[in-house]
Amino acid sequence: GEDVEQSLFLSVREGDSSVINCTYTDSSSTYLYWYKQEPGAGLQLLTYIFSNMDMKQDQRLTVLLNKKDKHLSLRIADTQTGDSAIYFCAERDGIKAAGNKLTFGGGTRVLVKP
Amino acid sequence: DTGVSQDPRHKITKRGQNVTFRCDPISEHNRLYWYRQTLGQGPEFLTYFQNEAQLEKSRLLSDRFSAERPKGSFSTLEIQRTEQGDSAMYLCASSSTTAGGGDTQYFGPGTRLTVL
Repeated sequence: GEDVEQSLFLSVREGDSSVINCTYTDSSSTYLYWYKQEPGAGLQLLTYIFSNMDMKQDQRLTVLLNKKDKHLSLRIADTQTGDSAIYFCAERDGIKAAGNKLTFGGGTRVLVKP
Repeated sequence: DTGVSQDPRHKITKRGQNVTFRCDPISEHNRLYWYRQTLGQGPEFLTYFQNEAQLEKSRLLSDRFSAERPKGSFSTLEIQRTEQGDSAMYLCASSSTTAGGGDTQYFGPGTRLTVL
């Protein structure tokens, strides 16, 4: 089955760049997503990338996709204390017409130090 | 623009009781999903609807769980005879196959269930 892996924890200084990495196993993934979750809250969509792209930039966020290595990363420029949260990578299976579920990684906890 | 809403936000119940959660999707979104998230883990897919039809169910969804979306708008998730292992955050998401954006799923705030 599909599997998505992320490192557990990242500590970064305010103003520096953060890079969160994710690997996945499903070669049929069509879309890959990054969500942010603050304590006790639901998931906030940050950005997504279609599998035929290798990069997408959205303000402070840059997503890089290496489809050959099945590696996805999220770079946050000029990290702020408000960026402290858990970040989830998710992939969507493209094979089954009705199969629209997302498979999530375990999340990376990002702590931004002043 | 109203996002996905869920009710209640928190539910504490005793083992063996039945509980029901409600999800209201973003208006005009035709797809609705339920996920479960336990502490320290990522969300896991439970089931999803396209309009009123339940199109996929995870093996995580035991016989004690049932979900409905009777008019293709809001959905309910019922857990019968709750067990302590059911304690989790239950997340609802919705998406649209007709709007642009790749059928992206938007999540609600979740219902946190605690089974004593």
